[in-house]
Amino acid sequence: SQQGEEDPQALSIQEGENATMNCSYKTSINNLQWYRQNSGRGLVHLILIRSNEREKHSGRLRVTLDTSKKSSSLLITASRAADTASYFCATAQGAGGGADGLTFGKGTHLIIQP
Amino acid sequence: DSGVTQTPKHLITATGQRVTLRCSPRSGDLSVYWYQQSLDQGLQFLIHYYNGEERAKGNILERFSAQQFPDLHSELNLSSLELGDSALYFCASSEYSGANVLTFGAGSRLTVL
Repeated sequence: SQQGEEDPQALSIQEGENATMNCSYKTSINNLQWYRQNSGRGLVHLILIRSNEREKHSGRLRVTLDTSKKSSSLLITASRAADTASYFCATAQGAGGGADGLTFGKGTHLIIQP
Repeated sequence: DSGVTQTPKHLITATGQRVTLRCSPRSGDLSVYWYQQSLDQGLQFLIHYYNGEERAKGNILERFSAQQFPDLHSELNLSSLELGDSALYFCASSEYSGANVLTFGAGSRLTVL
């Protein structure tokens, strides 16, 4: 079953604009991670935020986590054509400690128009 | 190149057949995870091995099995294949068994005709 659900399912913006995608999850988590997948390729880890953190930055990426609302957001600033990809949030549930693997949402497909 | 090697990249076979997908984890990683990605189900966790031992099972069908060998490479065996088994199968590795960052391979695309 899906733990994380991304919103929107698809997003198309102009190059240079900011892109925001959201993730909601259902149970308590150890951490939440965001991954990127270019079409038909393997997933690439972007950023991890722990359950006791509220915000994290990495280059043009900003992730927030609200454990009270069980939600996270990923902001990509100054988007580039190369950012076109699907973005997935993934959670490691607290009880399983990650042995059960990360649970992925269905992803947000981001298209950056040149 | 992520350091996780999956073979074959593409595989086309018929219903009822059996295939084996192979994964070599990144150097130093002891955990191997298998995922199935399809359009309707998204990314589904199948199974996790750590240092040769099965650690967790997800939505893995009884027709599917896996193992991790002493050299840490892993194989996913899919038998009595059905049309619905057509999907991308990913292997991912991590250093430990826990809530860690996963390094994914490029995937094996299975088409069952």
